[in-house]
Amino acid sequence: GQQLNQSPQSMFIQEGEDVSMNCTSSSIFNTWLWYKQEPGEGPVLLIALYKAGELTSNGRLTAQFGITRKDSFLNISASIPSDVGIYFCAGLWSGTYKYIFGTGTRLKVLA
Amino acid sequence: GAGVSQTPSNKVTEKGKYVELRCDPISGHTALYWYRQSLGQGPEFLIYFQGTGAADDSGLPNDRFFAVRPEGSVSTLKIQRTERGDSAVYLCASSSNGQGIKDTQYFGPGTRLTVL
Repeated sequence: GQQLNQSPQSMFIQEGEDVSMNCTSSSIFNTWLWYKQEPGEGPVLLIALYKAGELTSNGRLTAQFGITRKDSFLNISASIPSDVGIYFCAGLWSGTYKYIFGTGTRLKVLA
Repeated sequence: GAGVSQTPSNKVTEKGKYVELRCDPISGHTALYWYRQSLGQGPEFLIYFQGTGAADDSGLPNDRFFAVRPEGSVSTLKIQRTERGDSAVYLCASSSNGQGIKDTQYFGPGTRLTVL
């Protein structure tokens, strides 16, 4: 099935550092979402974006809906150990319900 | 309130056996979805229910896979004649009504299926 391209695939960072990751698609989406998944758990919604160019924050997390509507970015500032997990982007076409997920970015934070 | 729950959390079976995976959605959510997540990948859509009916089953890989939601709440994903390639985490999600771009899907913890 179709999966969106996420980069980087994995990151090892020091506690306190900022993190950036992105997601690209060959298709235009009307909604971009960012989820976090921890071991043994389902994905948990972090941020949802609904308009091209939109910039939305949730605490230390900031996400942007790319103006081409084919990409999205997630930034985490001042990382902490509990940020560890896999971050997935997901895109949604207008009028549909079928989330198309990315391949994931695995984040590890070293204390 | 209670989130989406799935049982069992883990299921180990032998090749060729039949398995059932259960999903309890958030109370009042009319839309329910099943996704499959292979190791190292993101979830992939399998099937979408609106109420009791399967509105879209285009993601089911073949006719060994079937899902039901007889009363519009709990759903069961059924896999016949399991194969080793069916090993994955099966995720269930529910949303309020399945309509509109702001109808967020909330995921359960998944059932990890291992076919030996």
